[in-house]
Amino acid sequence: EAGVAQSPRYKIIEKRQSVAFWCNPISGHATLYWYQQILGQGPKLLIQFQNNGVVDDSQLPKDRFSAERLKGVDSTLKIQPAKLEDSAVYLCASSLGPWEFFGPGTRLTVL
Amino acid sequence: AQSVSQHNHHVILSEAASLELGCNYSYGGTVNLFWYVQYPGQHLQLLLKYFSGDPLVKGIKGFEAEFIKSKFSFNLRKPSVQWSDTAEYFCAVKVDDYKLSFGAGTTVTVRA
Repeated sequence: EAGVAQSPRYKIIEKRQSVAFWCNPISGHATLYWYQQILGQGPKLLIQFQNNGVVDDSQLPKDRFSAERLKGVDSTLKIQPAKLEDSAVYLCASSLGPWEFFGPGTRLTVL
Repeated sequence: AQSVSQHNHHVILSEAASLELGCNYSYGGTVNLFWYVQYPGQHLQLLLKYFSGDPLVKGIKGFEAEFIKSKFSFNLRKPSVQWSDTAEYFCAVKVDDYKLSFGAGTTVTVRA
């Protein structure tokens, strides 16, 4: 069974630039999550999709972050414009049942 | 708001030593409990989980965890660690089948 795929694996940008991350969940998994993991902390949920609908985006900074899951499969997370404090690993996860499978993450560095 | 506390930030021990990582959560409702592990350079993987039933759960690679409801705890244990257990360990709690909340993580370094 293929795992959760994410790209790119690493991204370095300057503050105020834009960036986008892509996630392909495990086939058949209806629920998709985006997490932000700042160095030294545990992952924090940004947004949760059920198929192509948003279940929870209460911790998503909506003034600069956006996410979509067109057709209920792949998802993109965008940051526009980026700030220094957005430097983190962005994790995508998917689930069919009660536990989640995580992708390798995208490490974002904002200079 | 619910919170998950992991007692140790960094644990260093020798091979064959016993390991116990503490985890406490702050919610009193129905909880699902998880331990995830992240080996160096790899992604988060599920180590073990508790939903109901026997409060002592066994996971992969010889790990086990005990759910003590009265103490709001879900501590992770391994009787004899190996060098390959060097990793970061995260406790996580899902309340009422809602979102997953993670602790800050514990880095475990096993010296050969």
